[in-house]
Amino acid sequence: TQLLEQSPQFLSIQEGENLTVYCNSSSVFSSLQWYRQEPGEGPVLLVTVVTGGEVKKLKRLTFQFGDARKDSSLHITAAQTGDTGLYLCAGYNNAGKSTFGDGTTLTVKP
Amino acid sequence: DTGVSQNPRHKITKRGQNVTFRCDPISEHNRLYWYRQTLGQGPEFLTYFQNEAQLEKSRLLSDRFSAERPKGSFSTLEIQRTEQGDSAMYLCASSLSTGFEQYFGPGTRLTVT
Repeated sequence: TQLLEQSPQFLSIQEGENLTVYCNSSSVFSSLQWYRQEPGEGPVLLVTVVTGGEVKKLKRLTFQFGDARKDSSLHITAAQTGDTGLYLCAGYNNAGKSTFGDGTTLTVKP
Repeated sequence: DTGVSQNPRHKITKRGQNVTFRCDPISEHNRLYWYRQTLGQGPEFLTYFQNEAQLEKSRLLSDRFSAERPKGSFSTLEIQRTEQGDSAMYLCASSLSTGFEQYFGPGTRLTVT
């Protein structure tokens, strides 16, 4: 069974601060996705990382895939209240399935 | 709007009743996934289809759950004899078989009283 552990589980920060959340596994994935989910809605895809060591930037968000393709991080610079939400990582294997972590709940206070 | 749609958005039912949910995927996507999500947890895989074929079903899924995708387009998820433990958000996602990325619908929130 492939498991993804996300940390921290909860994070509360002030607007303007930087933060990093982590997604770790003992399994290798062919790719990894990050999603953001708001209460009562489905997850929205933010990014896919495929290559070990890959770094992708999406405005103030920076995503990194570990060299061994087992872990990933999401860094947010100068957080805004609109960044509040549940951040989920999902590892995809070649059998066509994705395994999700339990997410990091981020609250950005004004 | 060409995104994934799910109906109904909310369902309240009494224990023991049957419920059916529908998912309409993005039209060109041939893979369709069902997940269940409870508060404080990430989506848990239930089953997935490629076209009309059901390729995998979670061992966590009891015999009360069944899913179909008869024409390779929309899909239905039925829960028979609902139990309070079935209360959750049921999410549908679709993707291309050549792609990693799944696109989710808004979910159906089931409450079993």
